Amino acid sequence: DQQVKQNSPSLSVQEGRISILNCDYTNSMFDYFLWYKKYPAEGPTFLISISSIKDKNEDGRFTVFLNKSAKHLSLHIVPSQPGDSAVYFCAADGHTGTASKLTFGTGTRLQVTL
Amino acid sequence: DTGVSQDPRHKITKRGQNVTFRCDPISEHNRLYWYRQTLGQGPEFLTYFQNEAQLEKSRLLSDRFSAERPKGSFSTLEIQRTEQGDSAMYLCASSLGTAGYEQYFGPGTRLTVT
Repeated sequence: DQQVKQNSPSLSVQEGRISILNCDYTNSMFDYFLWYKKYPAEGPTFLISISSIKDKNEDGRFTVFLNKSAKHLSLHIVPSQPGDSAVYFCAADGHTGTASKLTFGTGTRLQVTL
Repeated sequence: DTGVSQDPRHKITKRGQNVTFRCDPISEHNRLYWYRQTLGQGPEFLTYFQNEAQLEKSRLLSDRFSAERPKGSFSTLEIQRTEQGDSAMYLCASSLGTAGYEQYFGPGTRLTVT
């Protein structure tokens, strides 16, 4: 069963606009969430994370929102840039206080067009 | 460069052969993880180490798979009697055990079993 779901396999956004990537989870034990970006032939690169005690975390152009009651999180990229074109993975961890195994979604391919 | 490194980057082998992959984590990281990623999926957890101790193994890790981390530094992942279903990208990640949840990934080893 897919405990972390990214239902949009792809997204196309114009440069300068907002990109919104969505992620849903089913396991209520997850208490930490991360977004990774992946370019072809490279490993995933950590972007931003959020603890379940927060509902928003911001880092530059990237903001992650968490809605615990809906078991939903989203990544906002503003403004979108061509270099943001990549596959974005949502990941969840359920072990408070330690770094442990991550459960990943299937990814959303973002294409930022000129 | 002090990132996570993996060797080899690509491996083609015939079914039934044994293969071994190596991962060198970020030097101060005491946790090391192995994941497997197949086409269209996110990375799936295989196993992780804290220092030299292997603390958890996924059900995905059959008896043909073995991982070691001697002396708590680099790690090896061996697959014996490879099968075509083992074809995947094998990713290694490392993290500081108590300083947060971010796992930093290497570039991966792509295995093709013919």
